[in-house]
Amino acid sequence: QKEVEQDPGPLSVPEGAIVSLNCTYSNSAFQYFMWYRQYSRKGPELLMYTYSSGNKEDGRFTAQVDKSSKYISLFIRDSQPSDSATYLCVIAEGGSEKLVFGKGTKLTVNP
Amino acid sequence: GAVVSQHPSWVICKSGTSVKIECRSLDFQATTMFWYRQFPKQSLMLMATSNEGSKATYEQGVEKDKFLINHASLTLSTLTVTSAHPEDSSFYICSARRSGGGETQYFGPGTRLLVL
Repeated sequence: QKEVEQDPGPLSVPEGAIVSLNCTYSNSAFQYFMWYRQYSRKGPELLMYTYSSGNKEDGRFTAQVDKSSKYISLFIRDSQPSDSATYLCVIAEGGSEKLVFGKGTKLTVNP
Repeated sequence: GAVVSQHPSWVICKSGTSVKIECRSLDFQATTMFWYRQFPKQSLMLMATSNEGSKATYEQGVEKDKFLINHASLTLSTLTVTSAHPEDSSFYICSARRSGGGETQYFGPGTRLLVL
């Protein structure tokens, strides 16, 4: 079993839709949870960072972590064409320098 | 903010030549920088971890003599691809972690290398 499993997509939605992106992980030692957005031919950009179970909201983005189920989600409200990108769930152990990446979900928001 | 820059953004070179890529943290100090490689439609693969003033730690399967990493200051790390070959063509991305800033890494925009 891979350490991080991410819904592979691709995902195509109309503008204004609510988008749900999901990952599961296997190692309960993981304590830090991040979502990065990567546009084509660009480096990943940090969207959300959290280390506790529950919801964290930032504008149209909500990150949700359920440590008991080892499940993390990113919700995008009122999706825009500019949200079209690949979204990476990324997790880390406490005290570890290494990040563990999901394979990414490619999202297309159609005008 | 936490801005990381890379230079050059793209490079084309002949097989057998060496290419140097710079990674700079512009507005923060980074004791640790990371180098990744990304092939099309794949996720990032960690190549090495670089701590300022010490030797880089390479991931299994990454040749340290081929991918030379220097982390000379708290804001600059360089990756030199020596004797590049077409199979080294890829997207190279660096990231930096703030001193005392937890596990979050801030990524550069990437350098696209094409070896002919």
